[in-house]
Amino acid sequence: NAGVTQTPKFRVLKTGQSMTLLCAQDMNHEYMYWYRQDPGMGLRLIHYSVGEGTTAKGEVPDGYNVSRLKKQNFLLGLESAAPSQTSVYFCASSTDRVGEQYFGPGTRLTVT
Amino acid sequence: RKEVEQDPGPFNVPEGATVAFNCTYSNSASQSFFWYRQDCRKEPKLLMSVYSSGNEDGRFTAQLNRASQYISLLIRDSKLSDSATYLCVVMVRVGGYQKVTFGTGTKLQVIP
Repeated sequence: NAGVTQTPKFRVLKTGQSMTLLCAQDMNHEYMYWYRQDPGMGLRLIHYSVGEGTTAKGEVPDGYNVSRLKKQNFLLGLESAAPSQTSVYFCASSTDRVGEQYFGPGTRLTVT
Repeated sequence: RKEVEQDPGPFNVPEGATVAFNCTYSNSASQSFFWYRQDCRKEPKLLMSVYSSGNEDGRFTAQLNRASQYISLLIRDSKLSDSATYLCVVMVRVGGYQKVTFGTGTKLQVIP
């Protein structure tokens, strides 16, 4: 089992460009999450999903959109990237035991 | 007051030493607690859950003190491979949603 995978691993964007980050899990988990991690800020929840076809806002959703068309995939979109979105983005998944999350390896995004 | 607070460290300890970290939480209704480990430039990984009665896994012991609203992680006989950042995680039910909050982490450096 691959667990949770993320693509791409690294990306550099110019301000105003758009991109989509892909997260895939092969553990048949219902719950999936997108976080960003910044120095001194810890992990902050952007959006989450409790099942296929459902999404909800987390702590810092502005500037991001998500979709969960298939149970195993959770996409994070940046429509118009800003330098403040420079961060490391982690995807995670879990069963209904939401404190026990499995993380992907992360995507390092730089917006110039 | 932050929902979850941790001393950022770093804690520099020699191999073989015993080290303990605390994590305080502000919401007395918090229900579940966890410790995660994050290696430099890697994803967080679940280390252990923290039960009301405490939890021990080899050299690692986690305790919960509800009266004082903190959890602790004790590492005995520290190894070089224990060097990492340890994240405290607290879960509380808010309406129908289980909110998970990550602390910013405590950095441990085990020195030869």
